[in-house]
Amino acid sequence: DVKVTQSSRYLVKRTGEKVFLECVQDMDHENMFWYRQDPGLGLRLIYFSYDVKMKEKGDIPEGYSVSREKKERFSLILESASTNQTSMYLCASSTSGTLYEQYFGPGTRLTVT
Amino acid sequence: AQSVTQLGSHVSVSEGALVLLRCNYSSSVPPYLFWYVQYPNQGLQLLLKYTSAATLVKGINGFEAEFKKSETSFHLTKPSAHMSDAAEYFCAVSHPNFNKFYFGSGTKLNVKP
Repeated sequence: DVKVTQSSRYLVKRTGEKVFLECVQDMDHENMFWYRQDPGLGLRLIYFSYDVKMKEKGDIPEGYSVSREKKERFSLILESASTNQTSMYLCASSTSGTLYEQYFGPGTRLTVT
Repeated sequence: AQSVTQLGSHVSVSEGALVLLRCNYSSSVPPYLFWYVQYPNQGLQLLLKYTSAATLVKGINGFEAEFKKSETSFHLTKPSAHMSDAAEYFCAVSHPNFNKFYFGSGTKLNVKP
């Protein structure tokens, strides 16, 4: 079974802190994704990566950056956390090709106070 | 451009009743369509997917969905609801490049005893 793990299930940070969210997948997938999930808005894509050291902006990249130094690991960075970044963050991975589904991690619920 | 619309943010059914969750899509290319389920405090799990083979797709837990090109719909159904089906359901369409997904805003299914 594909496994996608995220470093924390719950995280509380203060405004202005730098926040790292880490995601690891164990199925040698090429593609990795970061979403945020907010009530009534569904999932919105922040960034995705289709190869090591490659990244593409999603629909809401402002205030975020990402890093992919190894194929299995994709990090989301909040350079200076703000209260409007309080959300559920979901990582996903998939193999290349549009026929293939994305596999999701359990999510990190981030609260910025 | 691709997009997904889920009609009804909340649906309530009685145990044993038919479940019908609606999804309409728009796509400039032949779509690949997916339904995911999210149980509380968990990530998303694939229920089923349509990839241009049979228009009636069967998934896990007794769910199925029918692709109707003329109606641009991909509604999710289950003949008899079970209490364990209470969750949030997301419809998604994939983009031909980089397996990028567009998710609907989600429908929360409540199952009454």
